[in-house]
Amino acid sequence: GQSLEQPSEVTAVEGAIVQINCTYQTSGFYGLSWYQQHDGGAPTFLSYNALDGLEETGRFSSFLSRSDSYGYLLLQELQMKDSASYFCAFGGYQKVTFGTGTKLQVIP
Amino acid sequence: DGGITQSPKYLFRKEGQNVTLSCEQNLNHDAMYWYRQDPGQGLRLIYYSQIVNDFQKGDIAEGYSVSREKKESFPLTVTSAQKNPTAFYLCAISGSGTYNEQFFGPGTRLTVL
Repeated sequence: GQSLEQPSEVTAVEGAIVQINCTYQTSGFYGLSWYQQHDGGAPTFLSYNALDGLEETGRFSSFLSRSDSYGYLLLQELQMKDSASYFCAFGGYQKVTFGTGTKLQVIP
Repeated sequence: DGGITQSPKYLFRKEGQNVTLSCEQNLNHDAMYWYRQDPGQGLRLIYYSQIVNDFQKGDIAEGYSVSREKKESFPLTVTSAQKNPTAFYLCAISGSGTYNEQFFGPGTRLTVL
């Protein structure tokens, strides 16, 4: 079957760095994506990794290791507005499967 | 004004009634999707459509129906057969191909009383 596992909650201090891990199982893999969702809002796309390695987009970076079926989202210089849920997802042909999400709480 | 619209934002219905949620897009994307999200949970795929007049069941299609008569519109009907319909419903679009970056509408929060 297809599945993605993430920690359910993470707490980090404002200004610090936090890493959100994601492990997955799938038979057909087209890359790992990350989405952010604030409470009551819709998910928004953050990043995508098709190949192994690190992709950097401002304060956010995402990493993928296809051999380990593992990826992570790295958030640097945390701000209070980064408090949200973060979902990893893999894109198969025609559809996307989402993980259950990690709720990040940033504290002062 | 371009984008994805869902209406209404909040919807209340009595148990046993069918209800249709609207999803419209003017971005000319082929693929459209419906997801359900329960509190503290991830997104679960209900139905998706790659082209007009064609759609496929997702992981939790039972108790739901859809149509795709126009490229711009992909309405979702929550039928009385859906045992636990209260949830946050999200419509999304994406381009075609193997990389499916998804763009979401604002969502409809359905409460069945």
